[in-house]
Amino acid sequence: SQTIHQWPATLVQPVGSPLSLECTVEGTSNPNLYWYRQAAGRGLQLLFYSIGIDQISSEVPQNLSASRPQDRQFILSSKKLLLSDSGFYLCAWSEQGNEQYFGPGTRLTVT
Amino acid sequence: AQSVTQLDSHVSVSEGTPVLLRCNYSSSYSPSLFWYVQHPNKGLQLLLKYTSAATLVKGINGFEAEFKKSETSFHLTKPSAHMSDAAEYFCVVSRNAGNMLTFGGGTRLMVKP
Repeated sequence: SQTIHQWPATLVQPVGSPLSLECTVEGTSNPNLYWYRQAAGRGLQLLFYSIGIDQISSEVPQNLSASRPQDRQFILSSKKLLLSDSGFYLCAWSEQGNEQYFGPGTRLTVT
Repeated sequence: AQSVTQLDSHVSVSEGTPVLLRCNYSSSYSPSLFWYVQHPNKGLQLLLKYTSAATLVKGINGFEAEFKKSETSFHLTKPSAHMSDAAEYFCVVSRNAGNMLTFGGGTRLMVKP
């Protein structure tokens, strides 16, 4: 069966520091991969999606970036965090044309 | 363009009573529709999905939803609420071929003992 992992589970970072969140999927090949952010009390905002290695689309312009160095690995990064980057970050995967399955999430607090 | 509206931001029910979470959608083509549940500080779990087969869809944990094209609705129901059902519920519509999702604003379900 397929599983999706995210780490770290929680992170507290100062403003201006870098960020790297990792997501990996097991048990499937060539999945679509997604990064979402969920701000406190709000719905989900799609940040990036990827249909293959080095094929990444950005939905919202911001100081975040994403990379997919391997088929089942998706990384969310920032060179300098802003206070507004605080939130709950969710990674998800899907097969072609099907529903998405979400990871456990990373709680990021920027101080 | 497509959108999803969850008509109630909060719903409170007593344990053992029915649950109704309302969702309306708009889509320029036949959509795929989903309900997800999120417990505090957890990821989203798929409850059920509609993909143009039977209009009454049964999901996990006793939930079901009915697709009504004439009303553009996809309401989520459960006959009897359990304390463990307390969570945030999201109605979701696919943007294209299921790859891209548009989320409703969420409904927080509270279950009173």
